[in-house]
Amino acid sequence: DQQVKQNSPSLSVQEGRISILNCDYTNSMFDYFLWYKKYPAEGPTFLISISSIKDKNEDGRFTVFLNKSAKHLSLHIVPSQPGDSAVYFCAANSGNTPLVFGKGTRLSVIA
Amino acid sequence: DTAVSQTPKYLVTQMGNDKSIKCEQNLGHDTMYWYKQDSKKFLKIMFSYNNKELIINETVPNRFSPKSPDKAHLNLHINSLELGDSAVYFCASSQRGGRETQYFGPGTRLLVL
Repeated sequence: DQQVKQNSPSLSVQEGRISILNCDYTNSMFDYFLWYKKYPAEGPTFLISISSIKDKNEDGRFTVFLNKSAKHLSLHIVPSQPGDSAVYFCAANSGNTPLVFGKGTRLSVIA
Repeated sequence: DTAVSQTPKYLVTQMGNDKSIKCEQNLGHDTMYWYKQDSKKFLKIMFSYNNKELIINETVPNRFSPKSPDKAHLNLHINSLELGDSAVYFCASSQRGGRETQYFGPGTRLLVL
């Protein structure tokens, strides 16, 4: 049972354009959401998070939007850079429960 | 200095063997984790330790046994390896559990033949 779904396995974007990565969740108890970024042969690294009391969180070029009624969140990267090419994992939890990760979306930023 | 390190990075072994993966963190964190990323790319929690005590044990075969000699180390021992154990295993740590940012090691790629 996939509680966190990233339905796009891959995404290609031109350098300088906006990248939008999507994530859906099914567990209405989730109240904390995170994005992790992973380069090949490395572990995931934390990128940005959002609590369910907010609908937007911004950190430089990265913005996460949360739509609780749709159980949907998205990560916007603007402008996209070649160094952003990586696999992006969406994750969620509630309270002290373990993080539940999606399968990841591979982003390729083309110069 | 690597914050979370794992050894070995690659492990190729025969079915039925016993193997261990070591993890060390130098961040002074209280909580450590083991995750498994299988062929379908899902990253799933296996175990979590806080100050050397087991706090999360997901549905994992008892062939997998974590050991935490101190709060900076969390090793994973696997008995009687099976083909389905082939995966990438990630160690992680956080200051505390819950919503604290988790820092991941580079992963150990295990291939069981």
